[in-house]
Amino acid sequence: AQRVTQPEKLLSVFKGAPVELKCNYSYSGSPELFWYVQYSRQRLQLLLRHISRESIKGFTADLNKGETSFHLKKPFAQEEDSAMYYCALTPLLFISGANSKLTFGKGITLSVRP
Amino acid sequence: DAGVIQSPRHEVTEMGQEVTLRCKPISGHDYLFWYRQTMMRGLELLIYFNNNVPIDDSGMPEDRFSAKMPNASFSTLKIQPSEPRDSAVYFCASRYRQSGELFFGEGSRLTVL
Repeated sequence: AQRVTQPEKLLSVFKGAPVELKCNYSYSGSPELFWYVQYSRQRLQLLLRHISRESIKGFTADLNKGETSFHLKKPFAQEEDSAMYYCALTPLLFISGANSKLTFGKGITLSVRP
Repeated sequence: DAGVIQSPRHEVTEMGQEVTLRCKPISGHDYLFWYRQTMMRGLELLIYFNNNVPIDDSGMPEDRFSAKMPNASFSTLKIQPSEPRDSAVYFCASRYRQSGELFFGEGSRLTVL
């Protein structure tokens, strides 16, 4: 079974403060991890995936297999970062085969105050 | 492409009524997913299809829920009879091939009174 845990529901910070959104996962095989974001009144969209190892809008996330974590970080939060963030996992399919299920955590609301 | 299109955007109905939610995936995408979003449970996968065939429906809550994909460009999620606890936002999403970005629709907000 695959599981994604986002331990916090809400994180409120001031503009310019560092941000870390926590994500832990459970999966017996090799996972592919994602962060999705939902801005107010917009649809869910991909923010970043661990395979591409890129930084999007100043956000980064490193897959730590030892700690089974994929925390999302940004050194200096901006007001426009306020949104709902979801961590998600799917099996790394070229290894595991047919399972294409993408499992999400419960999400965390990030509020960046001016 | 207009992206994943869902209808209706909002639905208010009374307990016991049938509800049908519709989804048009992005052309060329061969995977389609239905998710339900609530405050308590977050995003739950209900069912997903590959090439119009249901692959995993283990997330469908109970027999009141059913989903179909008669062709590559259309899917429905039906609730019959609906109950107040079904109130949620239902998202449809599509993807190309097994691994890759999931594209979401804007969701259908269902309220069952």
